[in-house]
Amino acid sequence: SAVISQKPSRDICQRGTSLTIQCQVDSQVTMMFWYRQQPGQSLTLIATANQGSEATYESGFVIDKFPISRPNLTFSTLTVSNMSPEDSSIYLCSVEEARLAGGQETQYFGPGTRLLVL
Amino acid sequence: QKEVEQNSGPLSVPEGAIASLNCTYSDRGSQSFFWYRQYSGKSPELIMSIYSNGDKEDGRFTAQLNKASQYVSLLIRDSQPSDSATYLCAVRYQKVTFGTGTKLQVIP
Repeated sequence: SAVISQKPSRDICQRGTSLTIQCQVDSQVTMMFWYRQQPGQSLTLIATANQGSEATYESGFVIDKFPISRPNLTFSTLTVSNMSPEDSSIYLCSVEEARLAGGQETQYFGPGTRLLVL
Repeated sequence: QKEVEQNSGPLSVPEGAIASLNCTYSDRGSQSFFWYRQYSGKSPELIMSIYSNGDKEDGRFTAQLNKASQYVSLLIRDSQPSDSATYLCAVRYQKVTFGTGTKLQVIP
């Protein structure tokens, strides 16, 4: 499977500031996603990062709060804007690929970015 | 109604026993089913995928799928303390939806 890296791995930020999280994949992938996992909760899909076009956001998430870039098939960024303590969470990048030619698409996750907003 | 449901646990089993984790889903058109393991403070790691009815075995893990009853389960044989983690069920219909996870504790 693809190797996924994220930067930063963790950060502590002040209320009202913004943080940009980077996701790098070692191979070209069509589908990239951004998830949020709040403490003790499951995964919530924020958006699908589309290469060359605007991201597709899930209900409850908006571009002004979570702008996403996808300049190519191996890289994406998620910005958490105007942060509040409620944004404290783990942010996960995910890619989807078929393990084998003709295989089923499967999602794999990066190591995550742990964000604490004070 | 939740699309993918799991018992949050914790499920406690003694070392060496079989751990049985269950998941139900609501969309009958679902085609792909996954189990992820997530250690505390880590990201989810894919351990099993299953696409057709029946059992699929991989080492100590067996995934079971019953589309008529809309459930998928994961059996872990010879449970080890290192299996202690949260297990997330994921189901693909038009997109992948994750359950809330079951916390498994394997007691030495």
